[in-house]
Amino acid sequence: DAGVTQSPTHLIKTRGQQVTLRCSPKSGHDTVSWYQQALGQGPQFIFQYYEEEERQRGNFPDRFSGHQFPNYSSELNVNALLLGDSALYLCASSRPARHTVTGELFFGEGSRLTVL
Amino acid sequence: GQSLEQPSEVTAVEGAIVQINCTYQTSGFYGLSWYQQHDGGAPTFLSYNALDGLEETGRFSSFLSRSDSYGYLLLQELQMKDSASYFCAVRLYPGDTDKLIFGTGTRLQVFP
Repeated sequence: DAGVTQSPTHLIKTRGQQVTLRCSPKSGHDTVSWYQQALGQGPQFIFQYYEEEERQRGNFPDRFSGHQFPNYSSELNVNALLLGDSALYLCASSRPARHTVTGELFFGEGSRLTVL
Repeated sequence: GQSLEQPSEVTAVEGAIVQINCTYQTSGFYGLSWYQQHDGGAPTFLSYNALDGLEETGRFSSFLSRSDSYGYLLLQELQMKDSASYFCAVRLYPGDTDKLIFGTGTRLQVFP
């Protein structure tokens, strides 16, 4: 049973460029969340997708956008990259919250983005 | 705002017991979770406390006191492989989502 897979694992961009990160959720999961993790810090919630719609959004600017496809996979897009966007971007999948007791998230290993 | 504070680093030796604390200032939440993250790896779920008290899962135990806005993760019989970062996290009301607010994280180093 494949877990959460993310691509690419590493990438380097320059300021002002745009990036697209991809995520395939764990089998049986239909909810995908994206988190940003700066070095030495805890993950910060960006947004969550369910039924191809953004359900909730964290405190991130509109430069951060996403999409969920009918097969539940998801993309995170970041436009007009800033140096401060350098971080590990984590995708997490889950079953709908109402179907779980713990709200356990299953994370991928992330995409490490470096902005020069 | 919501915040969960943890010590930045804890060190211990193999076989010992270590406690990682989490103090929080949040509005209502469903429960307190703990995640482990090895360097370069994905965070993985360890435990969840919906109610006050102690939950035990093998060598790991987790505790929650809502009245004290405090929780902790207890790791017993430490092994080298326990060297990792540990994060507490809460799932806030209201909600039909799994949005988690993570703590600042504690880096545990286990020495032989």
